[in-house]
This record gives sequence, C-alpha cells and structure tokens, in this order.
Amino acid sequence: AQSVSQHNHHVILSEAASLELGCNYSYGGTVNLFWYVQYPGQHLQLLLKYFSGDPLVKGIKGFEAEFIKSKFSFNLRKPSVQWSDTAEYFCAVDSSASKIIFGSGTRLSIRP
Amino acid sequence: GAGVSQSPSNKVTEKGKDVELRCDPISGHTALYWYRQSLGQGLEFLIYFQGNSAPDKSGLPSDRFSAERTGGSVSTLTIQRTQQEDSAVYLCASSLGARGNTNEQFFGPGTRLTVL
Repeated sequence: AQSVSQHNHHVILSEAASLELGCNYSYGGTVNLFWYVQYPGQHLQLLLKYFSGDPLVKGIKGFEAEFIKSKFSFNLRKPSVQWSDTAEYFCAVDSSASKIIFGSGTRLSIRP
Repeated sequence: GAGVSQSPSNKVTEKGKDVELRCDPISGHTALYWYRQSLGQGLEFLIYFQGNSAPDKSGLPSDRFSAERTGGSVSTLTIQRTQQEDSAVYLCASSLGARGNTNEQFFGPGTRLTVL
C-alpha cells in the first residue's frame, strides 16, 4: 500500500539555521509530490509541488524540495529559516489516479 | 472565487449524540476529501469522493462514521453516537481530481469537534 513517512516529528532550530525535513514514500510508479504547510491558527496551504521535469522544485517563502526517484524521497529545504517559518509541515503523495496520502507531519519551531 | 467552506466552525456535543459536519467544495472540483486532525497527530484520511464513482471509505475508523456527497458538490460527514476520542478537527479538501492536470488540494478551515 502507498505510504508516506516523515521521520522528524518535531524540529527545533534557531533563526538563520538551515532546514531539511525528510519525506519518503513507498510507491513504485509515477507520483506527484507535495509539501503543505499549516501556520498556527491557519488553513493548510500548498508550499510547493512536483509533477514532472526539474526534480528541484522552488516554492513560496524560499523553500525548495528535491525529488530523488532512486531514494523515493522528496525532502524539503530552506537555507536560512525565520521565526515566521514556525508551522507544521506535511508531505503528500499522489499516485496518479489514487487518493492523496499525507505524512504524519513535522512540527517546526524556530527560536528567535 | 470562494474557497472550501465548512460548517460549523466549532461543535461541542455530548457523548452519545450524533453530529453532522458540512463541506462546500470549490465549484467544479470533482474530488472531495475528509481528514481528521487530532492534537499532536497528523492528517488522518477518512473518505474520498471522486465524481460519480463509489467513494473510498477505507479511512473511516468505525461504522459510526459515514459521509455522503449530494449532486457531486456538498458533502456531509456524520458521526453517530459520538465518543470522546472523536474530538478532533475535521478537515475537508477539494481538488480538480482526475480531470485536471493538477491534484493540488484546497483545504477548508475545518470544524473543531469537542465531545464532552
């Protein structure tokens, strides 16, 4: 069965530190990949997505993610985090006609 | 245009009562999802509607949970004989589904259910 793993449940960083949140999925076919973000008290919203083409995807607010097919990974990165990046981050995978599956989420806390 | 809307925004009920949660998806979106988000937990998939196809109910935690989608638009999630462990935020999302070239989901604000 299709699944998504986010191994980091809670990450705490200082401002200006670099960020990498892991996401691995289990599905051998063609996939669409997403990262969603939920800021405190707000809706879930799309951060970035990968469908095809360049495996390095740029999103909003300086985030990027790299699709590495051989590793079944789609890790989220940001070179320098800000306090306003404090949020919960969800990786999601859509295998074409199937429903979208979300990971369990990673809570990111940024120390000012 | 309008986004996904959900009502009520908050619902407090007593254990054993039935509740109905409503979701209005974005117009033209054929796919609709229900998720449950409990405190400290991730998104738990509940049910998925795609057009006129039979819904994927594989995520419903018990037979107390049911959902329907009338006319391919509005959806109602019903929880019968609520239990305290049903307390959570229930999120609805819609997407273009199979017809579109993107399956980006647009989320509603959620309904916070508290079972006393």
